[in-house]
Amino acid sequence: DTGVSQNPRHKITKRGQNVTFRCDPISEHNRLYWYRQTLGQGPEFLTYFQNEAQLEKSRLLSDRFSAERPKGSFSTLEIQRTEQGDSAMYLCASSFFTGTGGETQYFGPGTRLLVL
Amino acid sequence: LAKTTQPISMDSYEGQEVNITCSHNNIATNDYITWYQQFPSQGPRFIIQGYKTKVTNEVASLFIPADRKSSTLSLPRVSLSDTAVYYCLVGEAGGSYIPTFGRGTSLIVHP
Repeated sequence: DTGVSQNPRHKITKRGQNVTFRCDPISEHNRLYWYRQTLGQGPEFLTYFQNEAQLEKSRLLSDRFSAERPKGSFSTLEIQRTEQGDSAMYLCASSFFTGTGGETQYFGPGTRLLVL
Repeated sequence: LAKTTQPISMDSYEGQEVNITCSHNNIATNDYITWYQQFPSQGPRFIIQGYKTKVTNEVASLFIPADRKSSTLSLPRVSLSDTAVYYCLVGEAGGSYIPTFGRGTSLIVHP
C-alpha cells in the first residue's frame, strides 16, 4: 500500500506527558500537512511543509506543539505537556504540488489521542 | 481566506441524486474548489476539484456558476455507502495557504 500512513493509530497518555506522532507521506509528494479534528468538526489546519521547509506554522495551537520534517520525507508532530483538551484525532495529509493550479491532498487514517 | 458555508445535514434515499451546495462569496481569482468525503474514524478522501463551469468524474459532478460564489457537488444515484460527511475546501495552494475546512455536510442515505 503506497498511501499515507500514520503511527501510532491510537495513543493514550496521562496529562503532562509528551507524545510524538509520525506520518509517512506518499513517496513522491512534496507537501505534508498536519490537522487536528475533534468530534463534529472539520479538520483544523495546524501546519504544513513543502519538502523540508515549514511554510506555515502560525496555526499550531500553542508552543507545546511542534512539527518537523527533517529530510523532506516523513514528519513528526510532538505535543509537550499534554492537556486533556489535546484529546482529538490528528490527521496527516500529503500532496504533490507543482506550483500552480489546484491541489489534491491524500489523508492518512489519523492518530487518535486520549489524554487522561 | 475564502470562508465556506454548507448545510449541516441532508437526508436522501437510495437511488436518488443528491446535490450539496457550498457558498464561498469571497472566493479569490486563483482559488480552486475541492470536495472531500469523510467516513467516521477515517481521514477525508478526495472526491472532485474544479475551477469553473462543470467537472465530472466517475463518482460525482461539480457545478460552478460563472461568478464562482458557490459550487454544487452532485452525487448521482446514492447508495447507503455514500452516508458520510462532505466538505468543500476553497483556496489557492500556491499562496500563503491555510486550508480551511468547515463543519461539512452530514449526508444520511436511507434505504
